[in-house]
Amino acid sequence: SQTIHQWPATLVQPVGSPLSLECTVEGTSNPNLYWYRQAAGRGLQLLFYSVGIGQISSEVPQNLSASRPQDRQFILSSKKLLLSDSGFYLCAWSRDRAGEQYFGPGTRLTVT
Amino acid sequence: SQQGEEDPQALSIQEGENATMNCSYKTSINNLQWYRQNSGRGLVHLILIRSNEREKHSGRLRVTLDTSKKSSSLLITASRAADTASYFCATAATSGTYKYIFGTGTRLKVLA
Repeated sequence: SQTIHQWPATLVQPVGSPLSLECTVEGTSNPNLYWYRQAAGRGLQLLFYSVGIGQISSEVPQNLSASRPQDRQFILSSKKLLLSDSGFYLCAWSRDRAGEQYFGPGTRLTVT
Repeated sequence: SQQGEEDPQALSIQEGENATMNCSYKTSINNLQWYRQNSGRGLVHLILIRSNEREKHSGRLRVTLDTSKKSSSLLITASRAADTASYFCATAATSGTYKYIFGTGTRLKVLA
């Protein structure tokens, strides 16, 4: 069966510090991978998606970047965090374009 | 802005009652999906309905889709306290994109 992992679960970082969130998927190959951010009590905002190693599509942020160094690994990074980067970050994968998405447990990021 | 908009934003019902939540969207879709999110957790896929389908059932869930009105509804019958969660619709466009657009969610509270 397939499993998706995210870490860390919670993170408190000062403004201006770097960020690295990691997501890995087990039990499948060549998944489509996604990073979302969810503000408190709100819906999901798509940040990045990737359909293959080294292929990253950016939807929104200027302060964040994503990388996919291996088939089942997706990393979200920032060189300098802003207060507005606080939120709940979710990684997800799908087998097919427009198919079901499977979400990780999320990372709660607080920038102070 | 989010393409999907759910209503109501919040719903409180007694255990055993039915819960209905609605989703509207703006563009042509390949399919529409419903997800559940327990507080502070990742999203769980509930059901997917394709654009050429009008109704779909899964256990106590019934989903309808009206592409002429660009709307969908999720009905949960005989609700239980464990159904307390936020519910989101997500649309996958027909344009070949890998993106999903999530709505703002309905917070359902089922009182025991």
